[in-house]
Amino acid sequence: AQTVTQSQPEMSVQEAETVTLSCTYDTSENNYYLFWYKQPPSRQMILVIRQEAYKQQNATENRFSVNFQKAAKSFSLKISDSQLGDTAMYFCAFFLSSNTGKLIFGQGTTLQVKP
Amino acid sequence: KAGVTQTPRYLIKTRGQQVTLSCSPISGHRSVSWYQQTPGQGLQFLFEYFSETQRNKGNFPGRFSGRQFSNSRSEMNVSTLELGDSALYLCASSLAITSAGELFFGEGSRLTVL
Repeated sequence: AQTVTQSQPEMSVQEAETVTLSCTYDTSENNYYLFWYKQPPSRQMILVIRQEAYKQQNATENRFSVNFQKAAKSFSLKISDSQLGDTAMYFCAFFLSSNTGKLIFGQGTTLQVKP
Repeated sequence: KAGVTQTPRYLIKTRGQQVTLSCSPISGHRSVSWYQQTPGQGLQFLFEYFSETQRNKGNFPGRFSGRQFSNSRSEMNVSTLELGDSALYLCASSLAITSAGELFFGEGSRLTVL
């Protein structure tokens, strides 16, 4: 069975600074996808970034980038130039194509960006 | 394009009652998944439907059921409610085959069981 672990329940960062959220996972599969989802307070969850396991290159979306270490089963999210709107709970998630519709989520990291 | 719409947004029930939650996916999305979110257990997968067929199911008791209609709208039902069923129930839609885990979530239905 796959598991996803986020070891940082809460984090804070000053506006304009950089912060890294950690995520580790466990799987015996070789082909899978990893995601970071963002859930702002009282708002819907949205996709931040996606990484295909077969790609060695780390995914980047504007201020968001990942450090994907497949051998170590590590998938961290770096947020550069943090903005107040980045305040949210961030979930790391694992997906197998064979397991349709099923994302396996970590417990989440609450990130507060301070002005 | 309208997002995923869930109704009702908030509801209060008592133990033993049943509840039905509704989800309208993004237009063109044929896959609908349901998740339960609680502070203690986090986000847990309930089930996934595609073209009116349940393709995948999480580890929840039979009191939790769902269905999907021909227009891709989905409903989930929880019978004989228990206090522990209090949660935010999230619906998500996707294009299914090509989406590979990219889900579009609704704002959720917050259920309180008294």
